[in-house]
Amino acid sequence: EDQVTQSPEALRLQEGESSSLNCSYTVSGLRGLFWYRQDPGKGPEFLFTLYSAGEEKEKERLKATLTKKESFLHITAPKPEDSATYLCAVQAVTQGGSEKLVFGKGTKLTVNP
Amino acid sequence: GAVVSQHPSRVICKSGTSVKIECRSLDFQATTMFWYRQFPKKSLMLMATSNEGSKATYEQGVEKDKFLINHASLTLSTLTVTSAHPEDSSFYICSARGTYSNQPQHFGDGTRLSIL
Repeated sequence: EDQVTQSPEALRLQEGESSSLNCSYTVSGLRGLFWYRQDPGKGPEFLFTLYSAGEEKEKERLKATLTKKESFLHITAPKPEDSATYLCAVQAVTQGGSEKLVFGKGTKLTVNP
Repeated sequence: GAVVSQHPSRVICKSGTSVKIECRSLDFQATTMFWYRQFPKKSLMLMATSNEGSKATYEQGVEKDKFLINHASLTLSTLTVTSAHPEDSSFYICSARGTYSNQPQHFGDGTRLSIL
């Protein structure tokens, strides 16, 4: 069964304190791994797609990396506005042959000023 | 780019009422749209996938007569919760994607449905 596990569930950082969020996955044939940011009461906002092990992508203070079993979202010198829940999802193939995203439960990040 | 608009953002209604939620892609053609349900501290759960002009494909355990999905155009999908009951109260989120399956899904801001 396709599964996505994110850790930690919650993370508190001081402004400027760099850290990493983890997303480990099991999927039969990875078609893509996606990172999203979700603010309270809002829908997820797309951040990155990674397709193959060794791939890296960056956007401002965020950098996503991918191995064959997990992905990391590195946050460098975070600011309070980076506070959000970060969701990881993998593209999986359903029994009917279509593709869908399987989401983890997310990591709630709080950055204190 | 890639903006998805979902309406309404919040609905409060009595048990037995049917509720329609709209999902529009504003600046791209959404070949495929998805409907999710999200519970507190839980993963986003896919309810159904719809392709423009075709019948929706529902996930196991989702009642298709309860959750009616219409995807009549490349920019609009609707979810109707029929004869809603308190257990249907939840946060419903739609997403839209272009033609290729490895493209990212872009999400609306969700609808908070509360059934009294």
